[in-house]
Amino acid sequence: EVMLVESGGGLVKPGGSLKLSCAASGFTFSSYAMSWVRQTPEKRLEWVATISSGGSYTYYPDSVKGRFTISRDNAKNTLYLQMSSLRSEDTAMYYCARQDYRHGGFDYWGQGTTLTVSS
Amino acid sequence: DIVLTQSPASLAVSLGQRATISCRASESVDSYGNSFMHWYQQKPGQPPKLLIYRASNLESGIPARFSGSGSRTDFTLTINPVEADDVATYYCQQSNEDPYTFGGGTKLEIK
Repeated sequence: EVMLVESGGGLVKPGGSLKLSCAASGFTFSSYAMSWVRQTPEKRLEWVATISSGGSYTYYPDSVKGRFTISRDNAKNTLYLQMSSLRSEDTAMYYCARQDYRHGGFDYWGQGTTLTVSS
Repeated sequence: DIVLTQSPASLAVSLGQRATISCRASESVDSYGNSFMHWYQQKPGQPPKLLIYRASNLESGIPARFSGSGSRTDFTLTINPVEADDVATYYCQQSNEDPYTFGGGTKLEIK
C-alpha cells in the first residue's frame, strides 16, 4: 500500500523558516517524481514544487521560487521542503504527492501537515 | 499561467441523477495528442483523490459512474448516477505547462 506521511508543520513568524518532511512507503520511491501541493484556508489548491525521480531537476512556481527548496533522499525514501522568508500567504495545509510519470497528475497524496505563518 | 475556471461553484443533485461539472482552461492543455487535464475528488478532512487522468481515463479503483471528456480548453466531469458518497468538492488540474494549476473547485451536494 502506498503511504505518504508528512511532518514538520507548525506556527512560524513572518520571515522565519521551516522544513517539512514526507516519508514514503509501499512503492519504489526512487522511480517517481514527487511534489508538494498546498491548500490554503480558502481551500484553493496550489502546486508548490516538483523534484525529478533522481533529484537532479526541480521546478517551482514564481510564488515560492528562491524561497522554497525541494529535495529528496532516495536512500531514506523521504521528500523534503525547506521553506524560508515565510509570508502570511504561505499559511496552508501542505501535501506531499506522487506524480504519475505517464500523465503528470498526482496519483497519491499524504494526509498533509499544517503551516501557519503569523506573528 | 494557465487559468482553470470551474463551473458551477456548487451544485445540488438528487440521488440517482446526473451531475456535470465544467472546467475551462485559458489556453490549450493538449500536447502530443493528449489532453493533460485531470480531475480530483476531495472529501472534508481528506486529501484530494485522483479520479480521472488525461481528460477521460478512469483511475484504478474509481467507479465507472465517473467519466471525463473534453479537449484543448473545455473539459467535463460527469457523475451518473450520483450517490450519497459523492458529496465532495471536485477540482480540475492541468499538467501540460509549468506552473501546474488547479481550478477553484465545485462543491457537490445532494438535493
